[in-house]
Amino acid sequence: EVQLVESGGGLVQPGGSLRLSCAASGFTFSSYSMNWVRQAPGKGLEWVSYISSGSSTLYYADSVKGRFTISRDNAKNSLYLQMNSLRAEDTAVYYCARDGGNGYYYEFCDWGQGTLVTVSS
Amino acid sequence: DIQMTQSPSSLSASLGDRVTITCRASQGISNYLAWFQQKPGKAPKSLIYAASSLQSGVPSKFSGSGSGTDFTLTISSLQPEDSATYYCQQYNSYPRTFGGGTKVEI
Repeated sequence: EVQLVESGGGLVQPGGSLRLSCAASGFTFSSYSMNWVRQAPGKGLEWVSYISSGSSTLYYADSVKGRFTISRDNAKNSLYLQMNSLRAEDTAVYYCARDGGNGYYYEFCDWGQGTLVTVSS
Repeated sequence: DIQMTQSPSSLSASLGDRVTITCRASQGISNYLAWFQQKPGKAPKSLIYAASSLQSGVPSKFSGSGSGTDFTLTISSLQPEDSATYYCQQYNSYPRTFGGGTKVEI
């Protein structure tokens, strides 16, 4: 059974930093590209970032480019999101999502339960 | 960026009804279209990919169709457990973009 478990969320002040983790199990993590998707309270879904299986290809939403960094450790079956210069508008539940394969044209097929990030003073 | 527009934003239906949700892309996306179901306080669940292919384990009451710019999700024989918000999403290009969601109430 595929499992994606996010952690690392919490309350942080504007301008602060936070590192999210996503622990993966139940599949060959190194064979799949991964994503972060967020959802602000009461709002819709917003894709944040993508990383290919070998970390050679990265994509970011314009809203986080230059502030967030996606990475992965295939030996540890883990995905990360380093978030710097956090703003109030980054407040959201952050989900990790597995692609259906590794490449450009794959859908999100599995989701974690999410971790809440609150940016407030 | 490709804009995804869903309609309606909400709907109310009765048990056993058949409902259809529409999703329109601002430019052609071939069949790179997925549908997700999200219940309150829960993570999204993948229902359909490639516009019409069911994810493993998803009941056949859900069906999708379309190609290019216009897509539909149909739920047949609505049941209480189908009460949720449904999102479409394109994966033709980055940034991946979602529709605004359709809240289905029963």
